[in-house]
Amino acid sequence: DAKTTQPPSMDCAEGRAANLPCNHSTISGNEYVYWYRQIHSQGPQYIIHGLKNNETNEMASLIITEDRKSSTLILPHATLRDTAVYYCIVRVTSGTYKYIFGTGTRLKVLA
Amino acid sequence: DAGVTQSPTHLIKTRGQQVTLRCSPKSGHDTVSWYQQALGQGPQFIFQYYEEEERQRGNFPDRFSGHQYPNYSSELNVNALLLGDSALYLCASSLDAGGSYNEQFFGPGTRLTVL
Repeated sequence: DAKTTQPPSMDCAEGRAANLPCNHSTISGNEYVYWYRQIHSQGPQYIIHGLKNNETNEMASLIITEDRKSSTLILPHATLRDTAVYYCIVRVTSGTYKYIFGTGTRLKVLA
Repeated sequence: DAGVTQSPTHLIKTRGQQVTLRCSPKSGHDTVSWYQQALGQGPQFIFQYYEEEERQRGNFPDRFSGHQYPNYSSELNVNALLLGDSALYLCASSLDAGGSYNEQFFGPGTRLTVL
């Protein structure tokens, strides 16, 4: 079973920040939070990951709460091409090699 | 630098037949995982291959089997196809770094339709 809970869908205006929440209340100390997105019928695309510190790359920012029970993926200036299903995943660093996907959040960026 | 490639792109089979799907990992990667994604669902882990051995398996029957070659490419075989096997099959590659974390990179998938 997935260890994460995400809202099924969200809308965001083009050019505005998209904030996608994820709850992972049972996360363990050695489990990373990963975010992937999947544009219609393509393979999932890696976005970002983190353990306990906030992370930023060229695609997005990841904010993890101090208790690590939730996180938020931020797309700072959403474009129409960001319309996709976004998956939040938790995974241990070793011993378990699989990702357990939930049903994700379907983000629709509106013109 | 080529990413993960999969073949074929689409495939149509009938119930009871057997199918083989192929995957070439991203350059420099040595580990291949396979996932099944039914329509409207998130991907489900089938198994992972490393050093030509199945290292971990998800909750899939023995009809699903795989292989990894010395060049790290991999095959997924499904025997006795059922209608419920219709799905997008995704291959993901990664670099095993002594058992520690490394993100997986996914291919575009093979769309299997069973009639």
